[in-house]
Amino acid sequence: GAGVSQSPSNKVTEKGKDVELRCDPISGHTALYWYRQRLGQGLEFLIYFQGNSAPDKSGLPSDRFSAERTGESVSTLTIQRTQQEDSAVYLCASSRTDRIQYFGPGTRLTVL
Amino acid sequence: EDQVTQSPEALRLQEGESSSLNCSYTVSGLRGLFWYRQDPGKGPEFLFTLYSAGEEKEKERLKATLTKKESFLHITAPKPEDSATYLCAVQGNGGSNYKLTFGKGTLLTVNP
Repeated sequence: GAGVSQSPSNKVTEKGKDVELRCDPISGHTALYWYRQRLGQGLEFLIYFQGNSAPDKSGLPSDRFSAERTGESVSTLTIQRTQQEDSAVYLCASSRTDRIQYFGPGTRLTVL
Repeated sequence: EDQVTQSPEALRLQEGESSSLNCSYTVSGLRGLFWYRQDPGKGPEFLFTLYSAGEEKEKERLKATLTKKESFLHITAPKPEDSATYLCAVQGNGGSNYKLTFGKGTLLTVNP
């Protein structure tokens, strides 16, 4: 079946602009996760959704980051007033239970 | 706080030369240990999950093992197509029992 999809695959933006990243999870997966992968670093947890509720936003690095999810479907991660340190690959994953997380291809964000 | 350390950071093998990758972890009660493979420009691809010490799982040339402090990913007679970054992650039984804590990965290169 179809895996997790993310769009855009690449995004180049100017410092100070807002960006929206989109994630389509595997159909039927109730849990959805966002991670960030900076060069030379391990994946860093950002936020977790169970259905459309986000019980854990503790990984969001600042109040410029927000995320929402529509039902048990699409999620968007929004970064306002982007900074150069936001440059990274943003990965989305989904799971049927809180166990095996299946990842999408990621969005590579470059802030100039 | 859960922690994962992977070694070595990079490993070069000749085709057919078997070796092992190490993942050392500290976690407040292990819920699961996960191995992923990541190719350049792609998202992590799930390989194995291990839940208790002594457990082993195999897939083609790969075999994952688990103790109370570490996991090994054994690669037998590797081929060039096994070249990738291998990521280890843990999921603990604490309050945030859904998120994965990742190591920085081992970059494996298999030369023909």
